[in-house]
Amino acid sequence: EAGVAQSPRYKIIEKRQSVAFWCNPISGHATLYWYQQILGQGPKLLIQFQNNGVVDDSQLPKDRFSAERLKGVDSTLKIQPAKLEDSAVYLCASRLSGQGAQGTQYFGPGTRLLVL
Amino acid sequence: GDSVTQMEGPVTLSEEAFLTINCTYTATGYPSLFWYVQYPGEGLQLLLKATKADDKGSNKGFEATYRKETTSFHLEKGSVQVSDSAVYFCALSRGFQKLVFGTGTRLLVSP
Repeated sequence: EAGVAQSPRYKIIEKRQSVAFWCNPISGHATLYWYQQILGQGPKLLIQFQNNGVVDDSQLPKDRFSAERLKGVDSTLKIQPAKLEDSAVYLCASRLSGQGAQGTQYFGPGTRLLVL
Repeated sequence: GDSVTQMEGPVTLSEEAFLTINCTYTATGYPSLFWYVQYPGEGLQLLLKATKADDKGSNKGFEATYRKETTSFHLEKGSVQVSDSAVYFCALSRGFQKLVFGTGTRLLVSP
């Protein structure tokens, strides 16, 4: 079974530029998450989708970050304009629905973003 | 809100030593508890989990027991190997909601 795919793996941009990350979850996983992992910290949730609807985006900086999940499969996370503090690893995870608290989130390899 | 506290690292051990990484949590209700591992250059992988009090999760020689009375989920291994060198994250989740992670503990095992 293929895992969660993410691209690109690395990205370097200058501040105030825009950037987009792509995620393809495990086939059949209805729940998709984007996390931000700043160096030396644990991942923190940015947004959670159930199919193509948003479940939780309370920690998403909506003035610069946006995300969508068209057709309930792939997802794109965008930052515009980027700030220095956005330098981090962006992790995508997916989960099979209907498992309650026992369900496991499976993570992709992440996209490492450096903002100069 | 929910939170997870882990011991700070790095934890430096010699091969075959006993490992304990402490993890405590604060949460309402009855969360599920997880240990994830991140090997150098790789993504997060689930190591083990426990979904109710007194459950023991185990995998690859690692164990952790869900202790509700002490709100803890300490990770242990009887004999570590060089290949266990990685960053270990304790996390909790309620229902299908987000994972709340600790800050991670780096383990370095020398031959």
